Amino acid sequence: NAGVTQTPKFQVLKTGQSMTLQCAQDMNHNSMYWYRQDPGMGLRLIYYSASEGTTDKGEVPNGYNVSRLNKREFSLRLESAAPSQTSVYFCASSEPGLGTEAFFGQGTRLTVV
Amino acid sequence: GQQLNQSPQSMFIQEGEDVSMNCTSSSIFNTWLWYKQDPGEGPVLLIALYKAGELTSNGRLTAQFGITRKDSFLNISASIPSDVGIYFCAGQIDNAGNMLTFGGGTRLMVKP
Repeated sequence: NAGVTQTPKFQVLKTGQSMTLQCAQDMNHNSMYWYRQDPGMGLRLIYYSASEGTTDKGEVPNGYNVSRLNKREFSLRLESAAPSQTSVYFCASSEPGLGTEAFFGQGTRLTVV
Repeated sequence: GQQLNQSPQSMFIQEGEDVSMNCTSSSIFNTWLWYKQDPGEGPVLLIALYKAGELTSNGRLTAQFGITRKDSFLNISASIPSDVGIYFCAGQIDNAGNMLTFGGGTRLMVKP
């Protein structure tokens, strides 16, 4: 049972470098999300995709872009990494509807130096 | 945007103790959820609450959806070492995006 798979698990970037975080889910969910987790701040929504072909900004979208490549895959891109983007990034997926469970990947720990 | 205030931020537990944590918000939510995160893992859903006043149990866990729809608590009875981790409350409003707003988390640690 793969669930939600994120790659890579760890990454170190230099300021100004770009990279793409990959996420894939095998549960046929319509909705997918990218969150970042910082100490004491819980998880904050960066971008989400309510369904294939749509993407919307969340609470903290600046400095990021996303692509919903197909129903399974939702990628997060940092065009020019900054130290403030050092964080743990989580991808999640769910079915639409109140109270439906969001399944999370294991996270990508990103350090920008 | 909405904010969830979760307390306490951290607490030490001794095996067998009961634990209580809560979340409050300035906004109304239609659903409250409680997640647990183990080290190196993503959060996993523990309990979902759908109606104001609802009290739901899952084994040693009990959670309630506040009457005002602006708060929720989670109790863990007779704690065991594997209860250690970070617990998050999350609120959900009725929109097409199905987005969750998370509290800052409560970190449970074991007393030495």
